[in-house]
Order: sequence, then C-alpha cells, then structure tokens
Amino acid sequence: EVQLVETGGGLVQPGNSLKLSCATSGFTFSTAWMNWIRQTPGKRLEWLAQIEDKSNNYFISYLESVKGRFTISRDDSKSSVYLQMNNLKEEDTAIYYCTSNWELSFDYWGQGVMVTVSS
Amino acid sequence: DIQMTQSPASLSASLGETVTIQCRASEDIYSGLAWYQQKPGKSPQLLIYGASSLQDGVPSRFSGSGSGTQYSLKISSMQTEDEGVYFCQQGLKYPLTFGSGTKLEIK
Repeated sequence: EVQLVETGGGLVQPGNSLKLSCATSGFTFSTAWMNWIRQTPGKRLEWLAQIEDKSNNYFISYLESVKGRFTISRDDSKSSVYLQMNNLKEEDTAIYYCTSNWELSFDYWGQGVMVTVSS
Repeated sequence: DIQMTQSPASLSASLGETVTIQCRASEDIYSGLAWYQQKPGKSPQLLIYGASSLQDGVPSRFSGSGSGTQYSLKISSMQTEDEGVYFCQQGLKYPLTFGSGTKLEIK
C-alpha cells in the first residue's frame, strides 16, 4: 500500500521558518518525481515545487512566488521529501500536501499538514 | 502562466444523471490535463490523466475528453459517492496550475 505522511506543520509567527517532511512507502521512491502542493483556506490548489530523481540530477522547479523562500529536498535513503519554508507570511497559511508524479499529473497524495502563519 | 478556467463553479445532479464539467486552458496544453476528485476533509484523488486515461481503480462511469484548450469530465450516471469538488490541472508547463474547482452535489 502506498503511503505518504506529512509532518512538521503548526502555528508559526510571520517571518519565522518551518520545515515539512513527507515520509513515503509502498512505491519506488528513488525514481519518483516529488512535489509539494498547498490548498488555501479558500480551497484553491497551488503547486509549489517539484524535485526530479537522481537520473535527472535532482532537477528542481519552483513556483516563482516562493522561489528564494522555500526549498525542496529529498533523501532517497529515507524515502522522504522535505520543504524548508523561510520568512513565512500570513498568505502561506494552507494545508500542505506532498505528492508523486505520474504522466504530467499527481497520482499519490499525502493526507496533508496544516500550516498557520499568524501573530 | 497557463490559466485554467472551470465551469460551472457548482452544480447539483440527480442520481443516475449524466454530469459534465468543463475546463478551459489559456493556451494549448496538448492533452496534458488531469482531473481530481476531493471529498470533505480528504486529499484530492486522481481520476483522469492525459485528458482521457482512467486512473487505476476509478469507476468506468468517469471519462475525460478534449484537446487543445478545451477539456471535459463526464460522469455517466451520478452516484451518491460522486459528491465532492472536482479540479482540473495542466501538467504541460511550469508552474503547474489548477482550475478553481467545481462543487458537485446530489439534487
């Protein structure tokens, strides 16, 4: 059974940092392209970042508005993907999902983790 | 960025009714289109990829079609468990973008 489990969310003050983790199992993580996607309180879905696999030199793509603040990374030995979020803003408040890629779509999703940025 | 416009924003359908949801891209996405279903409190689930390919385990009453900038999701016979919010997503160009969603309810 495929599982993706996000952790690390919570309440944080504006300007602070948070690191999300996503532990996976049940599929070949080392060849999977992984993503972070968030869902705003208004239910809008927003793709944030993608990291490709080793054969593609772990190439990374970001949504322009988070580039420089968010950093995606992975550890194939732990079948995990991470999102380091710095200088958080109130508009970063959302549910954050990690997902895997399949044919230009996202086939597996975690249950999501809530991040609230508020003073 | 490629803008994805879904319509309608919401609709209600009777059991057994055929439902169609539309998605329009701001430029040609060459069938790089996926559909997702999201139920309350759950993460989205992939239904259709490549505009018309049914994801494993998805009931055959779901189908996708379209090309260029215009795509649609059809549910051939509405069931109770089909209630939820449906999103389209383009995977052709970065940033990968989603439609704003269509809320589907039972009438």
